[in-house]
Amino acid sequence: DVKVTQSSRYLVKRTGEKVFLECVQDMDHENMFWYRQDPGLGLRLIYFSYDVKMKEKGDIPEGYSVSREKKERFSLILESASTNQTSMYLCASSFGNIQYFGAGTRLSVL
Amino acid sequence: SQQGEEDPQALSIQEGENATMNCSYKTSINNLQWYRQNSGRGLVHLILIRSNEREKHSGRLRVTLDTSKKSSSLLITASRAADTASYFCATDTGRRALTFGSGTRLQVQP
Repeated sequence: DVKVTQSSRYLVKRTGEKVFLECVQDMDHENMFWYRQDPGLGLRLIYFSYDVKMKEKGDIPEGYSVSREKKERFSLILESASTNQTSMYLCASSFGNIQYFGAGTRLSVL
Repeated sequence: SQQGEEDPQALSIQEGENATMNCSYKTSINNLQWYRQNSGRGLVHLILIRSNEREKHSGRLRVTLDTSKKSSSLLITASRAADTASYFCATDTGRRALTFGSGTRLQVQP
């Protein structure tokens, strides 16, 4: 069965902290994605990666960076967390057209 | 504005009734997908319809696609309380990532 695992379900951080959100998939998928989800705005793409060490900006990359050192792991980094980055973060991987999602990390920045 | 816009934003029906939700999009697509999200969880893929298809069925789900109107609809027949969730359309426009709409929240009353 397909599995995408996000390291934390809930996270509370302070403004200015560096935050790492980790995502691991066990399907050997080439593509991995990070989204944030906010009420009324749906899912917005932050970054995606189509191969190890390859990344491409999504629609809202400002304030975020990513790392993909191994095929199965895709990390989202908030260099200096701000309160407007309080959100639900969803990781996904894809085989062909279909995306498989993790359970999400609800991040609160105080 | 978003590529995919769902309508209505929220829908409340009784168990056994049919639920219809609509999605409109702006640019040409390769395919359109529908995903489901239970509260506080990740998204799960439901069905994919390609641009050259007009209708597709999967169990109690029926999806239609009208490329001339740039719209799609998802029909859930004989709804159950367990169908309570948010439903998102997602369009594949040829870039590696999908574009998601803001979703329809479906409440099925037992």
